[in-house]
Amino acid sequence: DTAVSQTPKYLVTQMGNDKSIKCEQNLGHDTMYWYKQDSKKFLKIMFSYNNKELIINETVPNRFSPKSPDKAHLNLHINSLELGDSAVYFCASSQWGEAYEQYFGPGTRLTVT
Amino acid sequence: RKEVEQDPGPFNVPEGATVAFNCTYSNSASQSFFWYRQDCRKEPKLLMSVYSSGNEDGRFTAQLNRASQYISLLIRDSKLSDSATYLCVVNDGSGGGADGLTFGKGTHLIIQP
Repeated sequence: DTAVSQTPKYLVTQMGNDKSIKCEQNLGHDTMYWYKQDSKKFLKIMFSYNNKELIINETVPNRFSPKSPDKAHLNLHINSLELGDSAVYFCASSQWGEAYEQYFGPGTRLTVT
Repeated sequence: RKEVEQDPGPFNVPEGATVAFNCTYSNSASQSFFWYRQDCRKEPKLLMSVYSSGNEDGRFTAQLNRASQYISLLIRDSKLSDSATYLCVVNDGSGGGADGLTFGKGTHLIIQP
């Protein structure tokens, strides 16, 4: 069974559209994250959720909004997509605590045209 | 600003050789340290945690120097399958790690037959 899954794997869309990426984990973790990896391969954390509460919201545009219906899911909604949003978005999960390994999903490659 | 610096490489190394990477971090309050591995177009996966006393896992040895704020990874008897990007990850211990988790840009390793 896949530990952290994301859908879709690829997403091609036009500027101005609104899109969502879904993430689910079956590891029983209490914390989930969204990361963005840009064309230079730099991986940067965007959000994290612990027990359905937003813990840290990095300085990302408010066009990005995480939604967590339960602790096994953390979806990412993006409004008014821009060219610069093109990147690979990774979902991850872990137990709360700085020493715990994070498990990553396979990534969603978003291309905005 | 919290930063994690790595030499991006690429490091071209013949099979069977020993290779070492270093990583430096700027936040002296950092608490936890990790090496992740990322294969091309795949998600990052934990390679090993880095402990203060240094630790070894098979052909891989990680060391931490808190005084100089650097972390190292040594790979002995390198295999073709070791070809990947190695990400240095530092957590500054501000709770669950979401805010404090900083990734380096990665070091690209190519093992040549």
